[in-house]
Amino acid sequence: DTAVSQTPKYLVTQMGNDKSIKCEQNLGHDTMYWYKQDSKKFLKIMFSYNNKELIINETVPNRFSPKSPDKAHLNLHINSLELGDSAVYFCASSQSVAGAEAFFGQGTRLTVV
Amino acid sequence: DAKTTQPTSMDCAEGRAANLPCNHSTISGNEYVYWYRQIHSQGPQYIIHGLKNNETNEMASLIITEDRKSSTLILPHATLRDTAVYYCIVRGLNSGYSTLTFGKGTMLLVSP
Repeated sequence: DTAVSQTPKYLVTQMGNDKSIKCEQNLGHDTMYWYKQDSKKFLKIMFSYNNKELIINETVPNRFSPKSPDKAHLNLHINSLELGDSAVYFCASSQSVAGAEAFFGQGTRLTVV
Repeated sequence: DAKTTQPTSMDCAEGRAANLPCNHSTISGNEYVYWYRQIHSQGPQYIIHGLKNNETNEMASLIITEDRKSSTLILPHATLRDTAVYYCIVRGLNSGYSTLTFGKGTMLLVSP
């Protein structure tokens, strides 16, 4: 069983479209994250949720809206996609907000054309 | 969280030990050293962490100097599958809502 799973793995879309990436973890963790890895391979935190509540929002444009329907899921919705949104997006989870042993998904490669 | 410095890249022959250094001279007393790696096209993977004692698990060993200003991750018998970017991260146990801050890491290339 995959601990942290993301769908889709690849996403190609046109500028201006709205898209969603889904993430699920079956580890029973309380905390989930979204990270973005750009073309230069820098991995940066975007959001963090703890028990379905947003606790970290790292200056991400409000076109990005995370949603956590329950503790096991953290989805990322992106409105009005721009070329600069092209990146690999990773979902992760940890046991708690203090837990630094995080488990990452395989990533979603988003390409905006 | 304290900043870390790692070499950009390193090479290692298959079967030999890979020793990856990390400097964290501004580390404070309650900060742990974490190591992650990212194999090409995969998500980052947790390897090991420690506070001041040396640690070993099934993946690697972590050696932390007595003054805690630097550490070394040791892969005792590197294989081709260990080729990856290795990240050294310093984070406090009680960092509350802080998250992992990834730097540039070290690209380890294991060759036959």
